[in-house]
Amino acid sequence: DAKTTQPPSMDCAEGRAANLPCNHSTISGNEYVYWYRQIHSQGPQYIIHGLKNNETNEMASLIITEDRKSSTLILPHATLRDTAVYYCIDFTYNFNKFYFGSGTKLNVKP
Amino acid sequence: DTGVSQDPRHKITKRGQNVTFRCDPISEHNRLYWYRQTLGQGPEFLTYFQNEAQLEKSRLLSDRFSAERPKGSFSTLEIQRTEQGDSAMYLCASSLTDGLQIQYFGAGTRLSVL
Repeated sequence: DAKTTQPPSMDCAEGRAANLPCNHSTISGNEYVYWYRQIHSQGPQYIIHGLKNNETNEMASLIITEDRKSSTLILPHATLRDTAVYYCIDFTYNFNKFYFGSGTKLNVKP
Repeated sequence: DTGVSQDPRHKITKRGQNVTFRCDPISEHNRLYWYRQTLGQGPEFLTYFQNEAQLEKSRLLSDRFSAERPKGSFSTLEIQRTEQGDSAMYLCASSLTDGLQIQYFGAGTRLSVL
């Protein structure tokens, strides 16, 4: 039931910015964009979320297009520890649950 | 560590046996969620509680599955008469009911049904 689409995998050189795209073709006005990541053998970890405006925290930046049909998660200086599967999710507070897709496997290489 | 904890981390069982998993959420979180994750896929929602009330169950939760949160604190997920198709990672998450509703996940219980 995932409503977002992401590339299955991406590579990034250590120390460079990683830009992970997500398409939100069916996003509605009251749905937020959430990003999580899952490092091997661990549970998903919250990264960032936003509604319309771009957001930044200590982990990443989130860019949301004006029509909200796509977003980009930016890890400004990727490290080997950022190797993980990254999930973007459209979330409505009324529904109280996340629909995860298959995510993007980010491989950070030395 | 005050995060979400799950026990056991790994469980191997024979087909037809019953298994029970436990989740201890972050102490002040009143919402608790269970998800299932199979290899190569993202987590799939199973059920969630607000305090002790089970408010929603996915169609994935067959009648062999039951979840409880008796005092609004820890939760258990029981699978009766396990099948090989039940082999998966079972993840628990908890959250507050504030505007952000960020879900914090445990490390999961990996079930292998032989």
